[in-house]
Amino acid sequence: DQQVKQNSPSLSVQEGRISILNCDYTNSMFDYFLWYKKYPAEGPTFLISISSIKDKNEDGRFTVFLNKSAKHLSLHIVPSQPGDSAVYFCAANYGGSQGNLIFGKGTKLSVKP
Amino acid sequence: DGGITQSPKYLFRKEGQNVTLSCEQNLNHDAMYWYRQDPGQGLRLIYYSQIVNDFQKGDIAEGYSVSREKKESFPLTVTSAQKNPTAFYLCASSTKGGYTEAFFGQGTRLTVV
Repeated sequence: DQQVKQNSPSLSVQEGRISILNCDYTNSMFDYFLWYKKYPAEGPTFLISISSIKDKNEDGRFTVFLNKSAKHLSLHIVPSQPGDSAVYFCAANYGGSQGNLIFGKGTKLSVKP
Repeated sequence: DGGITQSPKYLFRKEGQNVTLSCEQNLNHDAMYWYRQDPGQGLRLIYYSQIVNDFQKGDIAEGYSVSREKKESFPLTVTSAQKNPTAFYLCASSTKGGYTEAFFGQGTRLTVV
């Protein structure tokens, strides 16, 4: 059973607009969440993270929002740029333990000029 | 430069042969991981190691084996028992414990011919 779900396989937005990528999780024990960006045939690169004691974390154009009651997090990219076109993975783990990262299936973002 | 190096980038194997994928890191990380990515799938954990000479099975360990004789190295052997070995393999490392991101290598594309 998937513990981390990204229900939208793809998303297309216009350059300069906001991109919103969503992620849901089922395990209430997760307390640390991350977003990774991946280009084809490359390894994922870390983008931004958030711990469960926060509901928002911002880094430049990227903001992650966490809604613990809904077990939902989202990544906002503003403004979107063509170089943001990639697959975005949501991941979660039990931050206080030595657990490993559980990944969603990813959302392919296409930013059109 | 600090980082994770996976080699080779592309690997071809005949059915029935074992093959070993290399992963080396110079980040002084205690934890190392192997993930597998298939088209349309997220990253699925094969094995992970939190300390030298110790490793744990992940979600899809069958048909794979690992060793962790040195902190810097975590090679993965894909054995002939692995039914569908063709995939993109990713190695990652992180500091031990939670609340930290994992850093990924560039991946190895294994194809069975």
